[in-house]
Amino acid sequence: EIVLTQSPATLSLSPGERATLSCRASQSVSSYLAWYQQKPGQAPRLLIYDASNRATGIPARFSGSGSGTDFTLTISSLEPEDFAVYYCQQRSNWPPRGTFGQGTKVEIK
Amino acid sequence: EVQLLESGGGLVQPGGSLRLSCAASGFTFSNYAVNWVRQAPGKGLEWVSAISGSGASTYYVDSVKGRFSISRDISKNTVYLQMNSLRAEDTAVYYCAKDYYHLSYYFDYWGQGTLVTVSS
Repeated sequence: EIVLTQSPATLSLSPGERATLSCRASQSVSSYLAWYQQKPGQAPRLLIYDASNRATGIPARFSGSGSGTDFTLTISSLEPEDFAVYYCQQRSNWPPRGTFGQGTKVEIK
Repeated sequence: EVQLLESGGGLVQPGGSLRLSCAASGFTFSNYAVNWVRQAPGKGLEWVSAISGSGASTYYVDSVKGRFSISRDISKNTVYLQMNSLRAEDTAVYYCAKDYYHLSYYFDYWGQGTLVTVSS
């Protein structure tokens, strides 16, 4: 079973700063990785799929990169609404499933 | 507008059963897989189950195999999650989520969630 490890657990930054979040897979997931944002009391929101493709309606300040086992979500300049928890997720066709990382909280410094 | 609306959560004793429903609208229901994803209080996300657009194929995380069953009624645009032999560790908010594209296991629309509490 593939395990996703996100780092850091918490990122303390100020609005306008650049955020860099990491997700490492225990074995290669090719480019089959997504990123989600979740705010308190809300459902998650799909940001990035297939490692680097922005989902519909996602602002350009969000970008994803990586392949194989190492992936990065970058928020180029944090807006007040970007402070939230971010999860990476890998998809697998066999066995069919979608495994999540444990999350990175981006908090206001 | 795509909408997913879960219902059926509540308090149940260990060993009990519960059926969750997910009513969908705003997209061609039979063209997309639908998934259940859960989140224990204060914890991360866990994918639980998926059902293909036709309903012919179903998938489960190992921890619920043999206890949970997913199904869909295309005439009602509704997906169900039958949960039997419930355990304390099944306590979570259960979200239904639509695949971004069929069986992509990326989820672009989510419901608001329904809370399942397993406790005596």
